Amino acid sequence: GENVEQHPSTLSVQEGDSAVIKCTYSDSASNYFPWYKQELGKRPQLIIDIRSNVGEKKDQRIAVTLNKTAKHFSLHITETQPEDSAVYFCAASSGGGADGLTFGKGTHLIIQP
Amino acid sequence: DAGVTQSPTHLIKTRGQQVTLRCSPKSGHDTVSWYQQALGQGPQFIFQYYEEEERQRGNFPDRFSGHQFPNYSSELNVNALLLGDSALYLCASSLGGRRLHFGDGTRLSIL
Repeated sequence: GENVEQHPSTLSVQEGDSAVIKCTYSDSASNYFPWYKQELGKRPQLIIDIRSNVGEKKDQRIAVTLNKTAKHFSLHITETQPEDSAVYFCAASSGGGADGLTFGKGTHLIIQP
Repeated sequence: DAGVTQSPTHLIKTRGQQVTLRCSPKSGHDTVSWYQQALGQGPQFIFQYYEEEERQRGNFPDRFSGHQFPNYSSELNVNALLLGDSALYLCASSLGGRRLHFGDGTRLSIL
């Protein structure tokens, strides 16, 4: 089955700086890659997703890049703000997302004021 | 527009007991998936229901079973509870399985 590795497990950046979280996947059939943000005690919330026919997608301060050949994808957050502090999870699935998601173990992003 | 709702929010059981968790999907969604999230870990896929049938299943024993009703709501049943079943159980709904919307989860503690 699919295996998703996520790094780093903890990331501390100064407010206003950029943050990058990286994930690798093992199953070449995977074609859907969402990112979720989970604040303490709350539900995971979808923040951005990308499908394998696209190499990059951007939504305001958030962007995701995908390298199918290397089987890795990354989340980029620019101009970080205190409200960006949370745990971020990457995930992968085949079937265009219709199949079950395999999640990474998460990255705890800390924004230092 | 109500999102995904789950009940109960918290539950305490003892080893060997059985538990039923409930989920109502977001309005307009037809697919329900269940995930188990242990403390400090990412969610793990249990199974997915579509048109009242289990469409896909993750690597969980058959002590974990589910059901989807005609109104798209769903139940997760766990038999013969083990200490290791203590976790946050998340329900997620979607239209055709895409772009999951999660509920707040049920925190299950096994004593």
